[in-house]
Amino acid sequence: GENVEQHPSTLSVQEGDSAVIKCTYSDSASNYFPWYKQELGKRPQLIIDIRSNVGEKKDQRIAVTLNKTAKHFSLHITETQPEDSAVYFCASRWGANNLFFGTGTRLTVIP
Amino acid sequence: DAGVIQSPRHEVTEMGQEVTLRCKPISGHDYLFWYRQTMMRGLELLIYFNNNVPIDDSGMPEDRFSAKMPNASFSTLKIQPSEPRDSAVYFCASSELAGGGELFFGEGSRLTVL
Repeated sequence: GENVEQHPSTLSVQEGDSAVIKCTYSDSASNYFPWYKQELGKRPQLIIDIRSNVGEKKDQRIAVTLNKTAKHFSLHITETQPEDSAVYFCASRWGANNLFFGTGTRLTVIP
Repeated sequence: DAGVIQSPRHEVTEMGQEVTLRCKPISGHDYLFWYRQTMMRGLELLIYFNNNVPIDDSGMPEDRFSAKMPNASFSTLKIQPSEPRDSAVYFCASSELAGGGELFFGEGSRLTVL
């Protein structure tokens, strides 16, 4: 089955700086790569996703890049704010199969 | 729609007791997923259903765990007998499509087994 690795496990940045979280996947057939944000005590919620026919996607301060050759994708958050503090999960999927989640990155934005 | 609804939100029980967690997916969603979240293992898929039929239960830890989906609007995850290592947050999620469809999570059920 698919194996998704996520780094780093924890990340602290100063408010206003950028944060980058990276994930690698093992199954070259994977074609859908979402990112979920989970605030403390809350449910995971989708913040952005990308499909394998696209190399980059941006939504305001959040962007995701995908390198299919290297089988890795990254989440970029610019101009970080305290409300960005949360655990972020990457995931991958191919076809009509289950989402395989990474182990999560705890992001702390220091005011 | 009120979203995915799970109950109970919190459950504290003693080792050996039966635990039943409940989930109501979003109306019209064909896929339902049960995940377990712990600090050590992150989000693990336990089982998922398509049109009420279990598709992949390879993540169910052992025979103590069972899940059912008797109709499109209700699913249960049962642990019998429960053990302290089952303590976790159990999330139910639903989606329109397994492939490329956004997963909508419930609020989760926090289980503590003493």
